[in-house]
Amino acid sequence: GPKVLQIPSHQIIDMGQMVTLNCDPVSNHLYFYWYKQILGQQMEFLVNFYNGKVMEKSKLFKDQFSVERPDGSYFTLKIQPTALEDSAVYFCASSGTRQNTLYFGAGTRLSVL
Amino acid sequence: AQSVTQPDARVTVSEGASLQLRCKYSYSGTPYLFWYVQYPRQGLQLLLKYYSGDPVVQGVNGFEAEFIKSNSSFHLRKASVHWSDSAVYFCAVSANTGANTGKLTFGHGTILRVHP
Repeated sequence: GPKVLQIPSHQIIDMGQMVTLNCDPVSNHLYFYWYKQILGQQMEFLVNFYNGKVMEKSKLFKDQFSVERPDGSYFTLKIQPTALEDSAVYFCASSGTRQNTLYFGAGTRLSVL
Repeated sequence: AQSVTQPDARVTVSEGASLQLRCKYSYSGTPYLFWYVQYPRQGLQLLLKYYSGDPVVQGVNGFEAEFIKSNSSFHLRKASVHWSDSAVYFCAVSANTGANTGKLTFGHGTILRVHP
């Protein structure tokens, strides 16, 4: 089936530094999402993105977070600066229609030291 | 606000046995409901979804789920499990607004182990 790729699978970074998580969505999809899962907790919605704009974001989407998809390339989540509580697995997803069927990547584990 | 409860963190069954993974949701109307599965080192894959109509929905690999509104449940079932069904299963709900927000609320997941 359709695949969403996330690169890298694990990233370790020092607190205060910037990190960019990359997502290669399904090729003809138009809607993009990030979810966050802290160890032992539920996966939670962060943000959705369509037509170059953030449509909706949750309270977890702090001011230090930003998303973009320049020129149809990777869909990225940038955190600047990182904090210890940003340590989590971040899942990217995409969908092509208004049917709520999301395709997820395998996640990037972010460790902030 | 919606929520999802998967009361069983871990379920272990023998190969060939029947399976039920429980999911209860909280939502004021009729939601969209989903079951996803995550195999090791892979992304979540959609097993099945319910939007409307027949409350019993069929999914891939012999899975099915039944939406019972009176019980606010959407339990996942399979008649006979295979060892390859070992994975983490997530129940999710989203608002039934007719617009694609992709804002799913997930349960904690149930780790299924099928032993030979």
